[in-house]
Amino acid sequence: GAGVSQSPSNKVTEKGKDVELRCDPISGHTALYWYRQRLGQGLEFLIYFQGNSAPDKSGLPSDRFSAERTGESVSTLTIQRTQQEDSAVYLCAGRTGVNTGELFFGEGSRLTVL
Amino acid sequence: AQSVTQLDSHVSVSEGTPVLLRCNYSSSYSPSLFWYVQHPNKGLQLLLKYTSAATLVKGINGFEAEFKKSETSFHLTKPSAHMSDAAEYFCVVSPYSSASKIIFGSGTRLSIRP
Repeated sequence: GAGVSQSPSNKVTEKGKDVELRCDPISGHTALYWYRQRLGQGLEFLIYFQGNSAPDKSGLPSDRFSAERTGESVSTLTIQRTQQEDSAVYLCAGRTGVNTGELFFGEGSRLTVL
Repeated sequence: AQSVTQLDSHVSVSEGTPVLLRCNYSSSYSPSLFWYVQHPNKGLQLLLKYTSAATLVKGINGFEAEFKKSETSFHLTKPSAHMSDAAEYFCVVSPYSSASKIIFGSGTRLSIRP
């Protein structure tokens, strides 16, 4: 597609349920990032994928969070046993392999945990 | 270590007057610097970027920024504010040495008075 696609755009779930968020980056963007943005806050780094290299998971807040990416395609972020503090917008961004390049963001997945 | 500081959490200007959003950075190496804009319930959109070429960078919608190495600043300006400029603005540092360690400022909310 022409841009970064994220789904679902909105997700309301009950505390304790698992959720899966999907990101489909721009073709050719070998780098992929996940960020969390709580209401009125800045962006919090979660995880970084670059091609087939081992991902940088240093931003994942707990072992309830995990993410996968197969090659240079779709990525999924999974949150197990959701808590109310997980409520946030989860943003995905892609980039070419060049460290000087810009990030291309999706519109985010808004997660609300009741 | 890298860091970025947006000096104002909120800036309010009248329509038609100049805009100044301030950003200071700290980086061990020559970084790439970016300004992104986020409208409500949207993802982040690139306004402009500095990648060691010209120090005065022109972006979209009449915005520009000047890289001043001696002051470690990358302030965003626009000569005349428009109502549609009301949004959240993020200054971003991307160190060349580490693709995953992109640092986002805490954001500046720009309000435009009619």
